[in-house]
Amino acid sequence: NAGVTQTPKFRILKIGQSMTLQCTQDMNHNYMYWYRQDPGMGLKLIYYSVGAGITDKGEVPNGYNVSRSTTEDFPLRLELAAPSQTSVYFCASRLRDSSPVRADTQYFGPGTRLTVL
Amino acid sequence: GQQLNQSPQSMFIQEGEDVSMNCTSSSIFNTWLWYKQDPGEGPVLLIALYKAGELTSNGRLTAQFGITRKDSFLNISASIPSDVGIYFCAGYYTGTASKLTFGTGTRLQVTL
Repeated sequence: NAGVTQTPKFRILKIGQSMTLQCTQDMNHNYMYWYRQDPGMGLKLIYYSVGAGITDKGEVPNGYNVSRSTTEDFPLRLELAAPSQTSVYFCASRLRDSSPVRADTQYFGPGTRLTVL
Repeated sequence: GQQLNQSPQSMFIQEGEDVSMNCTSSSIFNTWLWYKQDPGEGPVLLIALYKAGELTSNGRLTAQFGITRKDSFLNISASIPSDVGIYFCAGYYTGTASKLTFGTGTRLQVTL
């Protein structure tokens, strides 16, 4: 298993540009999450999904959109990039609560470092 | 929203020393998690705690779920250079789709 993969690893955007951060997991996990991590800070939840076709807002959703058309993929869309969105973005996934294994374990991808100038 | 206060923010210790860090929450959690993040990587789970008062070990790491359910601590015994990194506490309440609230992190640096 590759686990959680994210692309790209790095990206520089100009103000007002748009882009999609890709996230894929091959562990058949139901739950997927997008976090952002600002310098010297912990991770903050942007959006999450409990299954294909179901998404919901996290703590800091403004300026972002997500979709979950398949179990494996959970892309994050920035429509009008702003300097405040300069951050490192992490995708994570986990099994649902009813799993007999440690469902609490969120597996994180390696992150996408985004700079908006 | 919920806030997790983690302390200390950073610490420099010598190899072989023990390390202690803690995390307090403004609200109750059902689960406390401790993660380590290496530079350029995503967080990796170290220890998970599920019950108030629970004490759990993972090698040289020991963590406890506070009785009030609003705090947790992590101890690292006999630190080694590869312990360097940022340690995050995180918590969630059952029924919230495991939406984690993260602490601000403790940066650990180990000198020889």
